[in-house]
Amino acid sequence: GAVVSQHPSWVICKSGTSVKIECRSLDFQATTMFWYRQFPKQSLMLMATSNEGSKATYEQGVEKDKFLINHASLTLSTLTVTSAHPEDSSFYICSASRDFQETQYFGPGTRLLVL
Amino acid sequence: RKEVEQDPGPFNVPEGATVAFNCTYSNSASQSFFWYRQDCRKEPKLLMSVYSSGNEDGRFTAQLNRASQYISLLIRDSKLSDSATYLCAVNMKTSYDKVIFGPGTSLSVIP
Repeated sequence: GAVVSQHPSWVICKSGTSVKIECRSLDFQATTMFWYRQFPKQSLMLMATSNEGSKATYEQGVEKDKFLINHASLTLSTLTVTSAHPEDSSFYICSASRDFQETQYFGPGTRLLVL
Repeated sequence: RKEVEQDPGPFNVPEGATVAFNCTYSNSASQSFFWYRQDCRKEPKLLMSVYSSGNEDGRFTAQLNRASQYISLLIRDSKLSDSATYLCAVNMKTSYDKVIFGPGTSLSVIP
């Protein structure tokens, strides 16, 4: 099967700091990676779609200057939450697929708590 | 209208029951459809892809109705371990590609 890892699993940080989350496809090349956010008892909300080597496409309402996404290689995408605030506390999940039409494989998620 | 909608739930069923979930989507150009299950505080896990001809995997059957723009998931002989939230996912072929998840339907299988 396809394995996707995320790091870190947990982050607790002070308000105003920036947090970087890594998403890696371990045994396949991911043409497309997705970043989702999930608040308690809610569904996954797509934040952005990124293709290797190009700029991410952000969903409406997601600030691209606050949530910086870099997909520099076929196995790594990063999400940086800049100047995090308590309302950014959430479960951030990435997924990766070999081709857009194919199945997405999810990372285990990163829980962010901003104090 | 939301892009992807699901039965609101929650569904509480006894062990051994058959339960069906429905999911509707708004974009008629959508081409790929999936069912995922998500356990509490975990990432979604792919349950099955949904094909035009329908597909079955053990106790799970998925159907796609393009004309009515809905997909369904049928679970037969429910087990306690089936308790989870079931999410449908649809690729939305808009000006760019994106995959949208439904809000999920919670299932509790009761002894």
